[in-house]
Amino acid sequence: ETAVFQTPNYHVTQVGNEVSFNCKQTLGHDTMYWYKQDSKKLLKIMFSYNNKQLIVNETVPRRFSPQSSDKAHLNLRIKSVEPEDSAVYLCASSPHWGGRAEQFFGPGTRLTVL
Amino acid sequence: DAKTTQPDSMESTEGETVHLPCSHATISGNEYIYWYRQVPLQGPEYVTHGLQQNTTNSMAFLAIASDRKSSTLILPHVSLRDAAVYHCILRVAHNNNAPRFGAGTKLSVKP
Repeated sequence: ETAVFQTPNYHVTQVGNEVSFNCKQTLGHDTMYWYKQDSKKLLKIMFSYNNKQLIVNETVPRRFSPQSSDKAHLNLRIKSVEPEDSAVYLCASSPHWGGRAEQFFGPGTRLTVL
Repeated sequence: DAKTTQPDSMESTEGETVHLPCSHATISGNEYIYWYRQVPLQGPEYVTHGLQQNTTNSMAFLAIASDRKSSTLILPHVSLRDAAVYHCILRVAHNNNAPRFGAGTKLSVKP
């Protein structure tokens, strides 16, 4: 099956803990993204990678760090979670970088910080 | 990428044809119009896109105004499965920025 896969589906943790989310795409795409979707359902881009290279790094707190081992994988680590980090984190990929590239999204990882 | 404006919500009934509007008054000549939809507990799903000409695929028909300042996503004979949030976004062909999504239009479908 070719798609974008994310693990875990849900994660509940306490303030100050470290969490890691995994994303893998089997579509053969060059570009991957991490988005944060808040309670109002707005999607905000966090990071974009093209062929394992960081292309876009929006203004996100330093505790967030993306990790790419190859162009099919883009993980997200949060060093010390805060309550405002509670959200859905969506991973996406596209065939290549650039405005005409259609994006394919994973189902998301729902993070709750207590 | 230029900004888009969509209604917060729309209601429909199964079997109807639904017209979802999107305003993009400041669109520039090299910006494409993309539509995605998102159902609960899933990521956004690509629906269609266009530049100037109307486009059609198995999911929807995209009507683009001649001045390109607005577009309408037309969903024929909606079913309950079409209930979703529909996002209209603009993207420049060779832009280095990642796509940015607004709140979209929440489409409700009644039996």
